[in-house]
Amino acid sequence: AQSVTQLGSHVSVSEGALVLLRCNYSSSVPPYLFWYVQYPNQGLQLLLKYTTGATLVKGINGFEAEFKKSETSFHLTKPSAHMSDAAEYFCAVSDQTGANNLFFGTGTRLTVIP
Amino acid sequence: DTGVSQDPRHKITKRGQNVTFRCDPISEHNRLYWYRQTLGQGPEFLTYFQNEAQLEKSRLLSDRFSAERPKGSFSTLEIQRTEQGDSAMYLCASSFSRTGFYEQYFGPGTRLTVT
Repeated sequence: AQSVTQLGSHVSVSEGALVLLRCNYSSSVPPYLFWYVQYPNQGLQLLLKYTTGATLVKGINGFEAEFKKSETSFHLTKPSAHMSDAAEYFCAVSDQTGANNLFFGTGTRLTVIP
Repeated sequence: DTGVSQDPRHKITKRGQNVTFRCDPISEHNRLYWYRQTLGQGPEFLTYFQNEAQLEKSRLLSDRFSAERPKGSFSTLEIQRTEQGDSAMYLCASSFSRTGFYEQYFGPGTRLTVT
């Protein structure tokens, strides 16, 4: 079974500061890992994903995440926060076979302070 | 590529009424998923189709819920005898695979409020 834990339901950073959103996963099989962003009253947009290969993955809008198997983590970072980054961020895990269903964490709301 | 669309975007209904939502996937996508997202939570998987076949259903999908994808294109999700606990955002996603992995693209969701 797969599950995701996102530490911190709310994170506030100043504009220009480092963004770090934490995600730990549990999976009985090699996982696929994802970060999605959700703006108010909208669906989910894929930021980045890890399937195989390089453990440091780069996504859209300057975000990146590193898959650390030993720590079962997939934290999301961005060197410099922008006001437009304010949104809800979800980490998700999927298995590599079958339905590829996504199992989501409870989300982290990012606030960017001007 | 016009993206995944969902209709309606918002639905307010009274407890006990039936509601139906529609999802139009990206045209070449053969898989279609339904998720439910309650306030303050991440989306939870409900069911998915490969073409017209419904291949998996979550325990969350009670017998008041039914989903169809009759021609392997659009899908409908019906909730009968709605309850206040059904109030949520219902998200649809579609996907296809060239490599064996199915990347999901989400629609904007239908927000259901049961009064």
